[in-house]
Amino acid sequence: KAGVTQTPRYLIKTRGQQVTLSCSPISGHRSVSWYQQTPGQGLQFLFEYFSETQRNKGNFPGRFSGRQFSNSRSEMNVSTLELGDSALYLCASSLATGGPQHFGDGTRLSIL
Amino acid sequence: ILNVEQSPQSLHVQEGDSTNFTCSFPSSNFYALHWYRWETAKSPEALFVMTLNGDEKKKGRISATLNTKEGYSYLYIKGSQPEDSATYLCALGLNTDKLIFGTGTRLQVFP
Repeated sequence: KAGVTQTPRYLIKTRGQQVTLSCSPISGHRSVSWYQQTPGQGLQFLFEYFSETQRNKGNFPGRFSGRQFSNSRSEMNVSTLELGDSALYLCASSLATGGPQHFGDGTRLSIL
Repeated sequence: ILNVEQSPQSLHVQEGDSTNFTCSFPSSNFYALHWYRWETAKSPEALFVMTLNGDEKKKGRISATLNTKEGYSYLYIKGSQPEDSATYLCALGLNTDKLIFGTGTRLQVFP
């Protein structure tokens, strides 16, 4: 069974640009969550989607948005990139609400 | 703001030593307590999800206990091996799949 797949693995952008990251959950998993990790910080919750609906949103500015498609694949978008957006972005899926989450390898985003 | 605290921040032990870490959380906001292991250059891997007060889980040489009334969980590793070297994260699960993570305990096991 394929794990959680995130693309791209690495991305370099400049300030002011926008970026879209993709996450394909494990087959059959309908819940997808996104997290951000910056140096010195723990994993910070961004969003959570279930059946194409955003169930929760973390404390991030409106430049961060996401969506989930009918096949459970999810994308997150960051507009008007800032230097502080440089981070590892992790996606996780789960089979049942409250169950263990299965993480992808992440997208490492660098802003120049 | 919900705060999940882990201690110690880092730990260096010799192969064969047993060790334990602590995760503290506000007991009034408890739904589930997750433990993950995050090895360098890999993705976080789920170890345990615990929901009941007094719950104990075990996976090989690793075990965890949960006290929801006082808001803490312990993770134990018996006879540490170099392959146990990783960052161990605990996270408070809320009523959906939103997780509030602690900053982790970085364990290094020397042969």
